[in-house]
Amino acid sequence: KNEVEQSPQNLTAQEGEFITINCSYSVGISALHWLQQHPGGGIVSLFMLSSGKKKHGRLIATINIQEKHSSLHITASHPRDSAVYICAVRSNFGNEKLTFGTGTRLTIIP
Amino acid sequence: EAGVAQSPRYKIIEKRQSVAFWCNPISGHATLYWYQQILGQGPKLLIQFQNNGVVDDSQLPKDRFSAERLKGVDSTLKIQPAKLEDSAVYLCASSLDRGHSGNTIYFGEGSWLTVV
Repeated sequence: KNEVEQSPQNLTAQEGEFITINCSYSVGISALHWLQQHPGGGIVSLFMLSSGKKKHGRLIATINIQEKHSSLHITASHPRDSAVYICAVRSNFGNEKLTFGTGTRLTIIP
Repeated sequence: EAGVAQSPRYKIIEKRQSVAFWCNPISGHATLYWYQQILGQGPKLLIQFQNNGVVDDSQLPKDRFSAERLKGVDSTLKIQPAKLEDSAVYLCASSLDRGHSGNTIYFGEGSWLTVV
């Protein structure tokens, strides 16, 4: 079992729909990152969370430390949101390395 | 603020040839990471530097991969000889310092390697 699991693996939605991507992890963490990767491009950090909720524009990220679960929400989705969204956790021991999920491929259809 | 710079962006080589990737992190960032991302998978840490010292290279295939960060600034990752399964995106990332959960990690655009 992977330390970081994301669901769904693939998601296709119509423009304007509300999107939720989930991340569950099994290790103790000091922080969780949501990252965005466009085809052919590098990775952009969207959020870094250690508790509660953060909002940036149409993006909202929440984390429940007790349940070891985080969600990324996109409101009023747009075709430009099409990308791979990756959850990564920073462990709270040792060299505090990042462990990545396999990503959720989001496609927004106009 | 300039981001993490990587070169080359794309490289195609034959198996058993060698290749080198270069990374210049954000100015002042002490921690530098090299990740390998195979298509359809999440990034896998190859090596982590703190200044010019190696923090973690447990997943670096040392028989063919090497990396250095001699002056604690930019870094090179070398593969020699390359195998078909090395085809991947090699991502460089940096952060201000490890051991601080409040530090954001910044990624470069990646170097795409195809081994034929």
